[in-house]
Amino acid sequence: QVTLKESGPALVKPTETLTLTCTFSGFSLDTGAMRVSWIRQPPGKALEWLARIDWDDDKFYSTSLKTRLTISKDTSKNQVVLTMTNMEPADTATYFCVRMSSYSSFDPWGQGILVTVSS
Amino acid sequence: QSALAQPRSVSGSPGQSVTISCTGTTSDVGRYAYVSWFQQHPGKAPKLMIYDVTKRPSGVPDRFSGSKSGNTASLTISGLQADDEADYYCCSYTARFTYVFGTGTQVTVL
Repeated sequence: QVTLKESGPALVKPTETLTLTCTFSGFSLDTGAMRVSWIRQPPGKALEWLARIDWDDDKFYSTSLKTRLTISKDTSKNQVVLTMTNMEPADTATYFCVRMSSYSSFDPWGQGILVTVSS
Repeated sequence: QSALAQPRSVSGSPGQSVTISCTGTTSDVGRYAYVSWFQQHPGKAPKLMIYDVTKRPSGVPDRFSGSKSGNTASLTISGLQADDEADYYCCSYTARFTYVFGTGTQVTVL
């Protein structure tokens, strides 16, 4: 059974750096064609793709956010980490990590973690 | 990258069919066969319903089907059921090696 779970702070202050960890089980990011993406959803709004890391350590970022994002993996811990710098209130959202076994197969999703940006 | 355009809402009676459109550009929907659809119930994580335009993951009923023509992808739900009432999002791979989601459609079962 494949599962993913996001962890990190529920509250960050403006200008701080957010670090989120996705801990997964049931698959390995060492396996060819496996990928993990981060996606967020502000309250009451649509989904927004943020970043993707592949089994071969290729990394891809949202064009509008790429200067603020860094994605990395630790295959020994079965974890993917996303950092987002210079957080602002507009970044308040539920952040999801999701496994990808092909270019459009986002499945399954983690439960999500709500991050609020406020002073 | 602008979000893919979806109707804000669609509705139908139980047993009827509804179709949700997802309009992009020649740089995303029109360029690749990498369109997926997600169902999201309130307070829950999205669930993959369709990927690679037409493929259904294991466990997704065949009442859900996907298609694409030009820059527009579509999700059809046949035999509408009460539990189909949810928000639906499309997503496409893009020429910039990124992904773009749709604006979302609320499906109401009358």
